[in-house]
Amino acid sequence: GENVEQHPSTLSVQEGDSAVIKCTYSDSASNYFPWYKQELGKRPQLIIDIRSNVGEKKDQRIAVTLNKTAKHFSLHITETQPEDSAVYFCAASRANSGYALNFGKGTSLLVTP
Amino acid sequence: DADVTQTPRNRITKTGKRIMLECSQTKGHDRMYWYRQDPGLGLRLIYYSFDVKDINKGEISDGYSVSRQAQAKFSLSLESAIPNQTALYFCATSQNTEAFFGQGTRLTVV
Repeated sequence: GENVEQHPSTLSVQEGDSAVIKCTYSDSASNYFPWYKQELGKRPQLIIDIRSNVGEKKDQRIAVTLNKTAKHFSLHITETQPEDSAVYFCAASRANSGYALNFGKGTSLLVTP
Repeated sequence: DADVTQTPRNRITKTGKRIMLECSQTKGHDRMYWYRQDPGLGLRLIYYSFDVKDINKGEISDGYSVSRQAQAKFSLSLESAIPNQTALYFCATSQNTEAFFGQGTRLTVV
C-alpha cells in the first residue's frame, strides 16, 4: 500500500518568515495530493491540493509543489502569521481507491510573534 | 449548513464492551470514511464506502466493523474494545476529491 513520509515533525518559525513542509510517497499510481490543517481541538480542513498533472499551485500565501519523478511534494507558507500555528498533514490518494487518503504523520507548526 | 455529524463526541468504555460510533451527513456525498488519529501517527484509514453496497477495508481494519445503513449514515463498531483502541476517531465524506471531516469522537477504553 501507499506509504507517506512527512518532515519535519515540528517546525518553529518567526512571524513573517517562510515555512516549508516536505512529503514523499511510494505509490506511483497516486494522483491526488491534498494538504490539511488541523487546529487544536478541531477537525482537519483542506487548505490546498494538487493533482498529478500539475507541478505547482498557489493560493495567496500558500503554495504546493509536486515532483512526480521523485515522488515528493511540498507545502510552502510565506509571510507566516500566528494563526498559521497548527498541525499540517500531507496525504496521497488515487482515483481507483475512491480517493481514500493516506496521511503523513503530521507537522506541528508554531509561529511566534 | 451541510455538515458531517458524529455521535457521541466523547465516550469512555470498558475493555471487552461493544461500542458503536455513528456518523451522519447532510452533504449528499456518496463516499464515506472512518479514520483513527493517534498522537504522532497522523490519521489512519479504518474503512471506507463508495455507496451503500460497497464497503472496503482500510489500513487498520482489524478489530473494527462498519455498517452503511443509508447514503447519509456510516457507523463504526468495536466488537470487543481494547485499551489500544483509545484514540480520536474521525468520519469523513467526499463526492470527488476533497474530504470533509466530522468533529471527531474521542474514545477511551479503560
